[in-house]
Amino acid sequence: LAKTTQPISMDSYEGQEVNITCSHNNIATNDYITWYQQFPSQGPRFIIQGYKTKVTNEVASLFIPADRKSSTLSLPRVSLSDTAVYYCLVGGPGNTPLVFGKGTRLSVIA
Amino acid sequence: GAVVSQHPSWVICKSGTSVKIECRSLDFQATTMFWYRQFPKQSLMLMATSNEGSKATYEQGVEKDKFLINHASLTLSTLTVTSAHPEDSSFYICSAGTDTNSPLHFGNGTRLTVT
Repeated sequence: LAKTTQPISMDSYEGQEVNITCSHNNIATNDYITWYQQFPSQGPRFIIQGYKTKVTNEVASLFIPADRKSSTLSLPRVSLSDTAVYYCLVGGPGNTPLVFGKGTRLSVIA
Repeated sequence: GAVVSQHPSWVICKSGTSVKIECRSLDFQATTMFWYRQFPKQSLMLMATSNEGSKATYEQGVEKDKFLINHASLTLSTLTVTSAHPEDSSFYICSAGTDTNSPLHFGNGTRLTVT
């Protein structure tokens, strides 16, 4: 199971764009990259998933370079409610487990 | 989107008793469910993988006789913490997936406090 490395914490002001980069040097050919958001005392919430290049949805963008050894989650114009822990995970089909790293604790300041 | 429901959301029990936590996939059939445990200020730790109709696979260091997992249908898996002790107090989270590349979806967790 591929391991991931992310910054432990980040701070941002409201309204700014936040980019969180994750490295996953041992990603396998059939692995997808998935990001989750977790608030205290809640289960992780799916944000975005991608395999290569760029993926965008209504809440975030995911940039994946050609070698797929890293990925960057981009959150546009963060608000106080985006304060949470963000996890980057790599893994295969949905019947294989995801192994969580330490995640990135994002603090958004007014 | 896919919804995974966990019940109860919190439970308090006395030392030595057993507690059952349910995990249901509400709008899809989950071939596989996963159970995680999370201690305060820490990340989620995978405990076991549960496949419908077969025995669960436990991660190293997780006692299978203490944490009983049953996955009797494609929409329900249960985790029973037997003979609970205060050190079993934790946040237990389940997730469910299929054999496609759709992302795993997680339940909202169960806070277990053993007194």
